[in-house]
Amino acid sequence: DTAVSQTPKYLVTQMGNDKSIKCEQNLGHDTMYWYKQDSKKFLKIMFSYNNKELIINETVPNRFSPKSPDKAHLNLHINSLELGDSAVYFCASSQEAPPRADTQYFGPGTRLTVL
Amino acid sequence: GENVEQHPSTLSVQEGDSAVIKCTYSDSASNYFPWYKQELGKGPQLIIDIRSNVGEKKDQRIAVTLNKTAKHFSLHITETQPEDSAVYFCAARRSERGFAGGGNKLTFGTGTQLKVEL
Repeated sequence: DTAVSQTPKYLVTQMGNDKSIKCEQNLGHDTMYWYKQDSKKFLKIMFSYNNKELIINETVPNRFSPKSPDKAHLNLHINSLELGDSAVYFCASSQEAPPRADTQYFGPGTRLTVL
Repeated sequence: GENVEQHPSTLSVQEGDSAVIKCTYSDSASNYFPWYKQELGKGPQLIIDIRSNVGEKKDQRIAVTLNKTAKHFSLHITETQPEDSAVYFCAARRSERGFAGGGNKLTFGTGTQLKVEL
């Protein structure tokens, strides 16, 4: 009965590699997000998709490319990984259509370590 | 854009005491203020939220207050228990129909590490 799920939970890789993180939500929400949490626990939004359309792109390097095949999925592909990409990445979802908007539900996170 | 400041960064209390975490925001158009609890190794979980049309909201041992004039809001946890130990985040956003101007972007505070000691 998982609401927002991410795979993998842990990802260890070498600099320069390309990797993907997958996210799925079974809440029927129309909006999904990717957040990055750094080593100081600071949470910052990266992208947001509404009904498969990109609506927020927070000046993230173009090595990061989100893809939303349908409303329930938002995947994150990262090219040419750098040391500074090491962080925990969280997927989230919300229902933006009225009457109840705003509440975002987070996945368990993917800890990415770039060596 | 919105800027959210959160204090303190760490808070240690004795079991049974109260804990208060404070946040300020900069965008007077923000009208939705959630609080999230993040336990070690897990994603943030919503514990309570408040909208700008009310000044206070309570849910058992947790309460949130909002002062729109001063642009600050606070989380109050009473009768703290060891399982309350976690990182707490405040956040703010401007809720609008549609997405122009980044209206649905949630801006987080920097987090408070709460430790409840026996």
